[in-house]
Amino acid sequence: ETGVTQTPRHLVMGMTNKKSLKCEQHLGHNAMYWYKQSAKKPLELMFVYSLEERVENNSVPSRFSPECPNSSHLFLHLHTLQPEDSALYLCASSQETSGRANNEQFFGPGTRLTVL
Amino acid sequence: GQSLEQPSEVTAVEGAIVQINCTYQTSGFYGLSWYQQHDGGAPTFLSYNGLDGLEETGRFSSFLSRSDSYGYLLLQELQMKDSASYFCAVRDNQGGKLIFGQGTELSVKP
Repeated sequence: ETGVTQTPRHLVMGMTNKKSLKCEQHLGHNAMYWYKQSAKKPLELMFVYSLEERVENNSVPSRFSPECPNSSHLFLHLHTLQPEDSALYLCASSQETSGRANNEQFFGPGTRLTVL
Repeated sequence: GQSLEQPSEVTAVEGAIVQINCTYQTSGFYGLSWYQQHDGGAPTFLSYNGLDGLEETGRFSSFLSRSDSYGYLLLQELQMKDSASYFCAVRDNQGGKLIFGQGTELSVKP
């Protein structure tokens, strides 16, 4: 496996279900991100983990719960979601350095989530 | 506040040149980036401008003017496979997050 992988690629769930999205990066990066992408909207940053510590939580509802057990893996736990949470959820990773960064993030293919 | 503006749609023909503009308003500025996303795919990094001027990578070039808070992506010798959404993104401080524009959907016609 290379790059950033995400599973599952597609997920349909009811509002009372609990599910988890998984992301794995094989690039040796030290930062990982969750983004939400809805139709006709910009990418919305949800969470940032740097060196396995959460450094950004963009006012995301508590029904989304991230977990970063190590620098290569990132999870997004979902429970009691709403239909408006249906979107493409993208994971990304980058190598953050104290010097100049080129803003390059590597994205996974995303999980297309539908909440019924 | 922080915001980026780019056109929502651009249409061009194969072989042509197209320019996608991006203006930004941020509290700080640590570079302008461009990403490409094909329908149903992952965004992929295209270019980065940290300083004023033009950066060229093959058929794609990106320009930045920090005094004008403006940049653009230039695509030359357009091909059908260039049909995609293009996002500009800025980092508002050295350790901060990337802020993305809403994307420009480019359609390349035969």
